[in-house]
Amino acid sequence: DQQVKQNSPSLSVQEGRISILNCDYTNSMFDYFLWYKKYPAEGPTFLISISSIKDKNEDGRFTVFLNKSAKHLSLHIVPSQPGDSAVYFCAARSGTYKYIFGTGTRLKVLA
Amino acid sequence: DGGITQSPKYLFRKEGQNVTLSCEQNLNHDAMYWYRQDPGQGLRLIYYSQIVNDFQKGDIAEGYSVSREKKESFPLTVTSAQKNPTAFYLCASSPPVTGMNEQFFGPGTRLTVL
Repeated sequence: DQQVKQNSPSLSVQEGRISILNCDYTNSMFDYFLWYKKYPAEGPTFLISISSIKDKNEDGRFTVFLNKSAKHLSLHIVPSQPGDSAVYFCAARSGTYKYIFGTGTRLKVLA
Repeated sequence: DGGITQSPKYLFRKEGQNVTLSCEQNLNHDAMYWYRQDPGQGLRLIYYSQIVNDFQKGDIAEGYSVSREKKESFPLTVTSAQKNPTAFYLCASSPPVTGMNEQFFGPGTRLTVL
């Protein structure tokens, strides 16, 4: 049973436009959500996070929105740049130490 | 430089052999993790350890074993009992949960069974 879902395996966006990546979860006990960026054959790198007590967190071009009632979070990248092309994973913290990852969305930013 | 190192980057194994993947961190993190990534899939948790000499099974622990004798090191052994071991393996660590903490990942080891 997939507790963290990324239903869009891929997304293509024109350079300069907004990229919106979505993530749904099923467990209302998750208290912390994260987004990671991953290039092929490398480990994921942390991008941005949000606590369950907030509904928005912003860091430069990246903003994460959390809708607890819908159990949905999204990552907005604006403006999108070709260097943003990568696989993006959302993750949720379950308990003290366990993190559960989604299946990833491959973002392609077209120049 | 603080970080997580995994070695080797590429590993080939003959069927029926055990193989051990190395993971070392100098971030002074208490918790360490092993994940497996397969094409088109997310990261699936194999094992994690919150503290030295203690570890817990993740979602796909069958065919794997770990040890945590030192805070800095969390090696993963892929045994011959693992039916489909070819994958990309990622090690991670995280600091004590005092608030909002992320995991830090190593560069990964790609294991191929011949």
